[in-house]
Amino acid sequence: DAGVIQSPRHEVTEMGQEVTLRCKLISGHNSLFWYRQTMMRGLELLIYFNNNVPIDDSGMPEDRFSAKMPNASFSTLKIQPSEPRDSAVYFCASSHRSGKNTEAFFGQGTRLTVV
Amino acid sequence: AQTVTQSQPEMSVQEAETVTLSCTYDTSESDYYLFWYKQPPSRQMILVIRQEAYKQQNATENRFSVNFQKAAKSFSLKISDSQLGDAAMYFCAYRDAGKSTFGDGTTLTVKP
Repeated sequence: DAGVIQSPRHEVTEMGQEVTLRCKLISGHNSLFWYRQTMMRGLELLIYFNNNVPIDDSGMPEDRFSAKMPNASFSTLKIQPSEPRDSAVYFCASSHRSGKNTEAFFGQGTRLTVV
Repeated sequence: AQTVTQSQPEMSVQEAETVTLSCTYDTSESDYYLFWYKQPPSRQMILVIRQEAYKQQNATENRFSVNFQKAAKSFSLKISDSQLGDAAMYFCAYRDAGKSTFGDGTTLTVKP
């Protein structure tokens, strides 16, 4: 298996533009997590899904952020409109929901820069 | 809500020496798992070691071991015979039935 795949690896966009980050889960995993990492705030959980259903979105900063799982193996995180303070590395991770002992497997992240 | 605290933003160790990274957590659950992840400059998050809360025996993985004190809610990571490749940011994480909660990380520098 290729692991969790995120695209793009890097994104530079102008303030006000829409940004869509993509994530492909590991086959057979049914939990999906979106994290944001910054120097100031560390690693923050934005939202997580079990079996395509959002379970906890309390970490989503504001209405400009939205996440979807159109199917069991794919997710998107959209920011509209983007702002400079959204600049960060965004990680997607997946795991088996059924096992607490299964670690989250992370993608390599998308570095977003909003100018 | 579960919280994970790493009180050491930065640590350094001499190559071949031993270093211990601290982690404490807060939870009302009795069944949970704890993890240490490593994030090198490549940004990839890599699992280092995991501990099951119901097991008293401390987990070990080669040069990496933990000191799990359930009553104190403490979960420290010991790296023995430190190598230059161990230089990275290390995250402590807690997981119960739902999401994983991560600490703020400790940046480890290994001096040759």
